[in-house]
Amino acid sequence: QSALTQPPSASGSPGQSVTISCTGTHTDVGGYIYVSWYQQHPGKAPKLMIYEVTKRPSGVPDRFFGSKSGNTASLTVSGLQAEDEADYYCTSYAGSNNLVFGGGTKLTVL
Amino acid sequence: QLQLQESGPGLVKPSETLSLTCTVSGGSISSSTYYWDWIRQPPGKGLEWIGSIYYSGTTQYNPSLKSRVTISVDTSKHQFSLKLSSVTAADTAVYYCARVSYSYYMDVWGTGTTVTVSS
Repeated sequence: QSALTQPPSASGSPGQSVTISCTGTHTDVGGYIYVSWYQQHPGKAPKLMIYEVTKRPSGVPDRFFGSKSGNTASLTVSGLQAEDEADYYCTSYAGSNNLVFGGGTKLTVL
Repeated sequence: QLQLQESGPGLVKPSETLSLTCTVSGGSISSSTYYWDWIRQPPGKGLEWIGSIYYSGTTQYNPSLKSRVTISVDTSKHQFSLKLSSVTAADTAVYYCARVSYSYYMDVWGTGTTVTVSS
């Protein structure tokens, strides 16, 4: 199984929106609804932000929006805030109880 | 509130076996709703899924690590463990344990433990 493809970096100014993509294949992202997104600040453990493509856990602001089209999932962060600056990782179920991560995207708030 | 805590040696010699334990508190490791996973992150790099175990002992491993990985569970101690054999410098990483739901998302993470492979 290969890692999912994410852009290494993304950026936006406070208040703007930014979208991070996560591209896989029909055997992972395209084949299942089990795509999730994690936020990781430096030196900290990842935090679940989105699960099952579009769902937000309790406590995650509705500025975070997940979607999927074909083999590509996306995370959109609207109304960017300074605390959104972090690394973001996608993951997908890849069949046979296997999971695969994306390479990560560093989001910079300008 | 469920908490996970990794523990184990921070330094392992090349060719030896890395052994880590994750202790579950504030909830049951025997829940039928969850799996228990290990994930690692080499310095400055992304996350890598290592493998998963169900409370019954059923396991699944990343194919790229499968020949070297063993994950086990001890429900009486509320712990699950990772063994990675024949380690090299490439296995140097922060190792995380996490709870994974039936729909494959990790909703609770440990704080992580750093393991360095060096002689």
